[in-house]
Amino acid sequence: ELKVEQNPLFLSMQEGKNYTIYCNYSTTSDRLYWYRQDPGKSLESLFVLLSNGAVKQEGRLMASLDTKARLSTLHITAAVHDLSATYFCAVDGASGTYKYIFGTGTRLKVLA
Amino acid sequence: GAGVSQSPRYKVAKRGQDVALRCDPISGHVSLFWYQQALGQGPEFLTYFQNEAQLDKSGLPSDRFFAERPEGSVSTLKIQRTQQEDSAVYLCASSLVGGPTYEQYFGPGTRLTVT
Repeated sequence: ELKVEQNPLFLSMQEGKNYTIYCNYSTTSDRLYWYRQDPGKSLESLFVLLSNGAVKQEGRLMASLDTKARLSTLHITAAVHDLSATYFCAVDGASGTYKYIFGTGTRLKVLA
Repeated sequence: GAGVSQSPRYKVAKRGQDVALRCDPISGHVSLFWYQQALGQGPEFLTYFQNEAQLDKSGLPSDRFFAERPEGSVSTLKIQRTQQEDSAVYLCASSLVGGPTYEQYFGPGTRLTVT
C-alpha cells in the first residue's frame, strides 16, 4: 500500500527565515504534486514534479523530487506571513487510475 | 475558463438522512475523482470515473456511498442513511486523461455536517 508521510506536521516560523518541508513516499512513483490549502478553501496547485531531479521554483517556494530516495522537498525562502497555510504533497498512485495519495499535510504559520 | 464547481457548498443533514452532492468538472476533462477530507487530515480517495465508467471505487467506505456519472460529465456522490462519521469536506477533481502531467484540478468542496 502506497503511503505518503510529511514532516513536520506543524511549523511555526518567523518572517524572513528559511525552512524545508519533507515528503516521503513508500513505493515507486515518478509524479509528485504540491498543493496549498487555506482554511475553509480548496486545494491550489503549486508544483507538478514529473521526473527524478525535477526542480521548480515560484516566488519564495522551491520544490524538488528525488525518485530514487522517494523524497520530495518544499523549501521556503525568507518566509512572509502570506505563506501561512497547510501544504500537502500527493503522489500519483500509478495504478491505472491516477488517483492521488496525499500526505498528512504541514500546517505552516509564519509569524510577523 | 471555468473551473470545477460543486454544489451545495454546505450541507447539514440529520443522522439517517440521504444526501446528494454534485460536481461539474472542467469541460472536456475525461477523468473525475471524488475525495473525502476529514477535519485536519489530507484528502482520501473515494472513487474515479473515466467518462461514464466507474473504474475504481475502492475508497468508498461503505455501501451507503454511491457515485454516478451517467453522461460522462456531471457526477453525483450520494450518501444514504448518513452517520456522524460521514461529516467531512467532499472534494471533486477532474483531469485530462493522457495529459502531460495527469494534474488534477480541484473544486471548492462540499462541507457535510451530520447532526
